[in-house]
Amino acid sequence: ETGVTQSPTHLIKTRGQQVTLRCSSQSGHNTVSWYQQALGQGPQFIFQYYREEENGRGNFPPRFSGLQFPNYSSELNVNALELDDSALYLCASSSRDRTTEQYFGPGTRLTVT
Amino acid sequence: AQSVTQPDIHITVSEGASLELRCNYSYGATPYLFWYVQSPGQGLQLLLKYFSGDTLVQGIKGFEAEFKRSQSSFNLRKPSVHWSDAAEYFCAVAPGDTGTASKLTFGTGTRLQVTL
Repeated sequence: ETGVTQSPTHLIKTRGQQVTLRCSSQSGHNTVSWYQQALGQGPQFIFQYYREEENGRGNFPPRFSGLQFPNYSSELNVNALELDDSALYLCASSSRDRTTEQYFGPGTRLTVT
Repeated sequence: AQSVTQPDIHITVSEGASLELRCNYSYGATPYLFWYVQSPGQGLQLLLKYFSGDTLVQGIKGFEAEFKRSQSSFNLRKPSVHWSDAAEYFCAVAPGDTGTASKLTFGTGTRLQVTL
């Protein structure tokens, strides 16, 4: 059984650019959640995907968008990057019938310059 | 909206000493409560969780936590800390229904340092 994987590990972008982060959920998990963790802060919920549909969203602007694919992997897209978008982006997967058993990936460290 | 407060930003304990990390939450009903640990360069690992029933819950790595409704608290404890427990600890809360239990609100974390 493979765990949650994320790519890339690190990424450096320039303000105004767009970025795509990827997440492969744990085997058997059909729900993926994304979190943003700024330096020195706790993770903040961005949104969740279930069966390829957005299933709840935190307090993030529309330039944060996502996708979930039929194999339950997911992408997080951020347009018009701002300096404050620099953070660790965490992906977590769970199964619909055991939503409290959520497994996190190692994260993608995004730096915006 | 729910919120979580971890009043201690940084705690230092000696190896072998007991540990208690504080967590207070704000939510209208009984939420789901969690403790996660994050080591450098690692993702978050679930230590334990509380939904209902016995207010003292046991987790992995010898950790336990006690839910106190009257104090809106869910403090994490360990009787004897090991050097490998040095990490960042996060308390989290989710609305108390299974449909939203994976949409977590985290506290700002407590960094645990262990001295030998």
